[in-house]
Amino acid sequence: LAKTTQPISMDSYEGQEVNITCSHNNIATNDYITWYQQFPSQGPRFIIQGYKTKVTNEVASLFIPADRKSSTLSLPRVSLSDTAVYYCLVGPNNAGNMLTFGGGTRLMVKP
Amino acid sequence: SQTIHQWPATLVQPVGSPLSLECTVEGTSNPNLYWYRQAAGRGLQLLFYSVGIGQISSEVPQNLSASRPQDRQFILSSKKLLLSDSGFYLCAWTEDYYGYTFGSGTRLTVV
Repeated sequence: LAKTTQPISMDSYEGQEVNITCSHNNIATNDYITWYQQFPSQGPRFIIQGYKTKVTNEVASLFIPADRKSSTLSLPRVSLSDTAVYYCLVGPNNAGNMLTFGGGTRLMVKP
Repeated sequence: SQTIHQWPATLVQPVGSPLSLECTVEGTSNPNLYWYRQAAGRGLQLLFYSVGIGQISSEVPQNLSASRPQDRQFILSSKKLLLSDSGFYLCAWTEDYYGYTFGSGTRLTVV
């Protein structure tokens, strides 16, 4: 499984756009990139998934360059409630695959 | 719709006592089930996963065991708890699509 590297922590202010980048240099051809959000004392929650180019949903956007060796989760106009840990995972898009959650990026949104 | 139930939410157990955490999934059949543990301020560690009844795979050697007596039931057990077993335990499932769905977790404190 591809290893991922992301910043340990980030600070932002309400209303700003936050971009969290994840490196996955050894991503495989059949690997997808998935991001999860975790609040304290809760299980991680699926945010967005992509394979290449750009994916957007009501919560976030995911930018993936052509070489797919990195990806950027973009959170538009964050609020205090976006304070959480964000995990980047890379692996095949099928059930039964065991994805590894690393330490994630701890995002702190300040007023 | 699919839901996942995990209980209890919190648990305080003395060292040497047994443990049984239960996880059930509704609204799906033959899910892949997982047990994760999260130490304070850390990422998620995969403990066990199961692709079917009676099929359990362990990712790390430890003081814990898992069982899957029914299709949608996954149980995490220990005969004698250690202090190091304290943590936040999460059950998760996947089916024939991408992404994990996590339960609400059990915070275990071994004293």
